[in-house]
Amino acid sequence: ETGVTQSPTHLIKTRGQQVTLRCSSQSGHNTVSWYQQALGQGPQFIFQYYREEENGRGNFPPRFSGLQFPNYSSELNVNALELDDSALYLCASSLGPTGELFFGEGSRLTVL
Amino acid sequence: DAKTTQPTSMDCAEGRAANLPCNHSTISGNEYVYWYRQIHSQGPQYIIHGLKNNETNEMASLIITEDRKSSTLILPHATLRDTAVYYCIATNAGNNRKLIWGLGTSLAVNP
Repeated sequence: ETGVTQSPTHLIKTRGQQVTLRCSSQSGHNTVSWYQQALGQGPQFIFQYYREEENGRGNFPPRFSGLQFPNYSSELNVNALELDDSALYLCASSLGPTGELFFGEGSRLTVL
Repeated sequence: DAKTTQPTSMDCAEGRAANLPCNHSTISGNEYVYWYRQIHSQGPQYIIHGLKNNETNEMASLIITEDRKSSTLILPHATLRDTAVYYCIATNAGNNRKLIWGLGTSLAVNP
């Protein structure tokens, strides 16, 4: 148990729709990082939020956006869903941008 | 971040030590070696990290060669619950947010 919770755990969307994934960070952690993990691959960094500001972004298009709230929980939004967006989306919280990452169990998104 | 190379899969007998190798020949002086593991359908779990010296914690030991071009993660007494994909990542601690993950090593611990 890492204290990081993600919701929903599973969801199915159709191409073109929009999705919002949520993450509650571990108590005391002020940084949240989001990763996308396709089947059989390692996680790929999407972006990080530190004290409500984006603090680094990976090679993902602008239709992937995020938000961090004053309580340090976070959302990942994906617009105009594509089939290739089907993946496990992982949220990790840390104490600061360089702290150890504590991952949630992920949200598995299927796009049909 | 330095690229790492790991074997695709390994087997280990329960109760024996599991030694997982990782090559990071292009690692720079300020890059750490991190190990995470991912048990099927769960989020990754931090195991250990190091810079130059060997490190040990309650989960594992990390042995880094003197030239820092390779390292070995040691699980001293593997159990069935250690069956997982193990990821070795070389990264500047300041870029911890941008960990670059490869495919890892799939470790199967057999009874």
